[in-house]
Parts: sequence; C-alpha cells; structure tokens
Amino acid sequence: DVKVTQSSRYLVKRTGEKVFLECVQDMDHENMFWYRQDPGLGLRLIYFSYDVKMKEKGDIPEGYSVSREKKERFSLILESASTNQTSMYLCASSLKSPYGYTFGSGTRLTVV
Amino acid sequence: QQQVKQSPQSLIVQKGGISIINCAYENTAFDYFPWYQQFPGKGPALLIAIRPDVSEKKEGRFTISFNKSAKQFSLHIMDSQPGDSATYFCAASTGSSGDKLTFGTGTRLAVRP
Repeated sequence: DVKVTQSSRYLVKRTGEKVFLECVQDMDHENMFWYRQDPGLGLRLIYFSYDVKMKEKGDIPEGYSVSREKKERFSLILESASTNQTSMYLCASSLKSPYGYTFGSGTRLTVV
Repeated sequence: QQQVKQSPQSLIVQKGGISIINCAYENTAFDYFPWYQQFPGKGPALLIAIRPDVSEKKEGRFTISFNKSAKQFSLHIMDSQPGDSATYFCAASTGSSGDKLTFGTGTRLAVRP
C-alpha cells in the first residue's frame, strides 16, 4: 500500500525553537505539499515542490521554509517557532497532475 | 482570498438520511473538483471527483452534482451511516500538470444512530 509517512504524530516545542517536520513518500511521486489544518479554516497550502531542489510558496509561507534534497523526502522548517504556528500539519504527495493526492496522517504541533 | 467556499461548517443527520454539503468556487479555470474524507487522527483521503464535462457522478452512496453556470458543486451522501461521520473537504484545481488543489474549509458530519 502506498504511503506518506510523517515522522512525528505529536510535537511540543518552545517559542523560538527551530522545528523540523519530516515527510517521506514511497510512491515515486513528483509533487509534494505541506498544508496546515486549523478549525474553520480548512487546509491551507504552505509550500509545495514539483521536483528535487525545487520549491514554490503556497498561500501562507511566512515563517516557514522547506527542503527537498531527495525525491521521496520533503521537510518543513519553522525557523523560529511561534504560538500562532500551533496547528495540525499535513504532508501530501501526488503525481505530476493534482489528481489523487495522498496525505500523511499529520503532525500535531504545539508551540508553548 | 478564499477561492472555494464550503457550507455548512457542521451537519448532523439521522441514520438513513441524506447528507448534503455544498461548495462554490470563483476561478473559472478550475476543471477538477474532488472531495476528500477525513476521519479523526487520519489524513484526508480522496472520496470522489468530477470534471465539468458531466453534471453528476455517482459512486455507491456518494454523488457529486455539478452546476457549471452557477460555479457550484455538492456532495450528496445517500442512506447516511454512522461510519460516514467524518470531516469532508471539497477542493478544486485547474487539473494541469504541476497545479495544486485549493481546499474548502471543511464540513464536520455527524450521523446519529
């Protein structure tokens, strides 16, 4: 079964810490995405990547960066965590078209 | 700017009833409209999708109705079951290579036994 694996289900970090969220997919998908999910706001796109070492800003990139050194791995970086970044973070991957995103189970990040 | 508006935010339906969730979009370039289902503790999973060349698509108890002129589409769940209780997201994209999905805000459905 195809999989998108997010390294942590729950994380608690302190304000100002640098935080790394890791995502790995085993489907040889070209596209990878990072969304955050907040009640009443749905899924909002942070960053996405069409290929290795490529990245594009989504709708809410401020305070985040990403890294894609290998095709299967897409990392989200919070340079200096803040309390307003407390959220559920979802990673997804897809083939070149947007058909059939596959999501990971999410990482619930709490910044205190 | 919210390009896909979804309603209602929450919905309670009795077992056996029909659940209806509505979405409206603004970007006329959108030509791919999927619905995702999310259970607690899981990521969203593709449920059903439609392209605008058809007005309706049915898969089991799930039906998408599409109205291109009104720029609206909806999900109907017939004979709703407690196991359908989940959060549902509509989404849209242009469908072109490299494009991304824009999601609605989600509807939390509870089906009472």
